[in-house]
Formats: sequence, structure tokens, C-alpha cells
Amino acid sequence: AQTVTQSQPEMSVQEAETVTLSCTYDTSESDYYLFWYKQPPSRQMILVIRQEAYKQQNATENRFSVNFQKAAKSFSLKISDSQLGDAAMYFCAYRSSISNFGNEKLTFGTGTRLTIIP
Amino acid sequence: EPEVTQTPSHQVTQMGQEVILRCVPISNHLYFYWYRQILGQKVEFLVSFYNNEISEKSEIFDDQFSVERPDGSNFTLKIRSTKLEDSAMYFCASKRLAGHEQFFGPGTRLTVL
Repeated sequence: AQTVTQSQPEMSVQEAETVTLSCTYDTSESDYYLFWYKQPPSRQMILVIRQEAYKQQNATENRFSVNFQKAAKSFSLKISDSQLGDAAMYFCAYRSSISNFGNEKLTFGTGTRLTIIP
Repeated sequence: EPEVTQTPSHQVTQMGQEVILRCVPISNHLYFYWYRQILGQKVEFLVSFYNNEISEKSEIFDDQFSVERPDGSNFTLKIRSTKLEDSAMYFCASKRLAGHEQFFGPGTRLTVL
């Protein structure tokens, strides 16, 4: 079974600075997807960024980028120019690429609570 | 932009009672999921549903749980006889046919007394 580990329960960063959230995972599969989800205080989880394991290029979405190290099974999220609206719980998630009629369950880490200091 | 909606936002029930949590997935999505998050813990997969049947369920999803898509829009999670340990946030998610992203609803907080 796959596992996802987020070793930083809490992080804080000054507004406009850069912060990196860590995630490691364990799998025996060679092809899979990795996600970062953001859960603001309103509780609805929102997808931040996605990485396909077969792609060597790290995914980027505006101020958000990942450092995907497949051999090390590491998938960190970098947030540049942090804004107050980035304050949230961030979850790393894994999904197998093997699809069986929608059983593509997400396996989540325990989350990192990010605080933005004005 | 279409969203997944869930009702109620908060449900309080007595132990042993039945509860039904409701979700309206995004209209053109075909895959549906329930997850739960016990306070302070990770989000855990419960069940996935496609083509009117369960495609996968976790070990958490025992005989006390059931899911249904009673009409073309709703997707429900029923807990027949609630236990104290069922207290959690329950999230519904949906996904379109060829997509990778699961879209989550805002959740229902279930409190079992």
C-alpha cells in the first residue's frame, strides 16, 4: 500500500517570502500522480498543483512549483511571494495511475498548516 | 464555476441513529468519492462509485456504511447505526471522465453524541 508522509505539522513564513513544504511517499509503482491540495479555514479542499510521475519537468502554477525527485520519492511544494491568502492546511496526495473504473482513490498525508506572518 | 455541494454543513446525532449525508457532484462528472477526516488527522478514503456501483472501498467502509445515487444529481452516504468514532468531517468529491482532478465539496461535520 502507498503511504504519504508530511513531516512538518506547521510552518510559518513572512509575507512575500518563499516557503517550501515537504512530502515524501512510498510506492512500488512506477507511474502515478502526485497532488498538493490546499484546505483554507472554509474547509473546502482545492487543488494547487499536480505532477505526473512520468514527467521529468517539475510542475509550476504561477507562484506554486514543485520539486519532484522520483528516485528519492520526494515531492515538495514551493510557494513564492507568499500572500495572506495562502494561509491554509496543505495536503500532499498520491494517486495510482492504474485506473479501474474510477477507483483512483487519493492517499493523503497528514498535512502541514501554513501560517503567513504579515 | 460549478462546485460540489454538500448538505447539511453540520449534523449532530445520537449514537445508534442513522444519518444520511448528501452531496451534489458537478453535473457532468461520472466518478464520485467519499472521504472522511477525523479532527486533527489525515483525510482518509472511504469509497468510490462509478456507473451506479461501488468500484472500491476502504476497510473503514464496513456494513454500517452505504452509498447511493438515488437520482441524476444526488450522491448520498448513509451510516446505519452511528458510533462515537464516526464523528468526523465527511467530504464528497467528483471527477469527470477523462480528468485527473477530484473536486471536493465543503464537507459535512458529523458529531455523534
